[in-house]
Amino acid sequence: DGGITQSPKYLFRKEGQNVTLSCEQNLNHDAMYWYRQDPGQGLRLIYYSQIVNDFQKGDIAEGYSVSREKKESFPLTVTSAQKNPTAFYLCASSASVYEQYFGPGTRLTVT
Amino acid sequence: QKEVEQNSGPLSVPEGAIASLNCTYSDRVSQSFFWYRQYSGKSPELIMSIYSNGDKEDGRFTAQLNKASQYVSLLIRDSQPSDSATYLCAVSGGSYIPTFGRGTSLIVHP
Repeated sequence: DGGITQSPKYLFRKEGQNVTLSCEQNLNHDAMYWYRQDPGQGLRLIYYSQIVNDFQKGDIAEGYSVSREKKESFPLTVTSAQKNPTAFYLCASSASVYEQYFGPGTRLTVT
Repeated sequence: QKEVEQNSGPLSVPEGAIASLNCTYSDRVSQSFFWYRQYSGKSPELIMSIYSNGDKEDGRFTAQLNKASQYVSLLIRDSQPSDSATYLCAVSGGSYIPTFGRGTSLIVHP
């Protein structure tokens, strides 16, 4: 089955620790995206990549980093510099100009 | 700053009624318009996309686009309790990076 997977589903970390969220897709999509969603808020774009080995900052990139070494994978690292990291993180992919498809999400809690 | 506006709701409709969800956008060069459904605690699921003025129907769902008025809507006919969710409107233009609205909460009561 084609789709987008994110792992883990739930993640708990202590403040000051870096954490990496996984996102893999087998849809052969060129573009991949990371969003953050907070309660009662819309989706806010963190980073996106439209081609392997290239990525761009979104609206709220501070405190986050990404890599795109393979077409299928777009991991997100939440660093200790991110002031409020507790959130629902969503990965998406798209075939260039078309609609995005989302993974199941990772719920990160930092205490 | 590109903006996509939705009434946060909740919009409450009885089972079997038509639910009408609305979205306005600020960027006049927007080209692609999407509706996503998001159940509580889950990720968004694409339910409709529309690219040209007019209506597009898919089962119980109809998307309506009016570029002159910068307005896109989603109609859900014969609403069911299982349609209760938050509906996100997304709009993209030349950059192909969509801007999402905050969503409208829909409650369908038996």
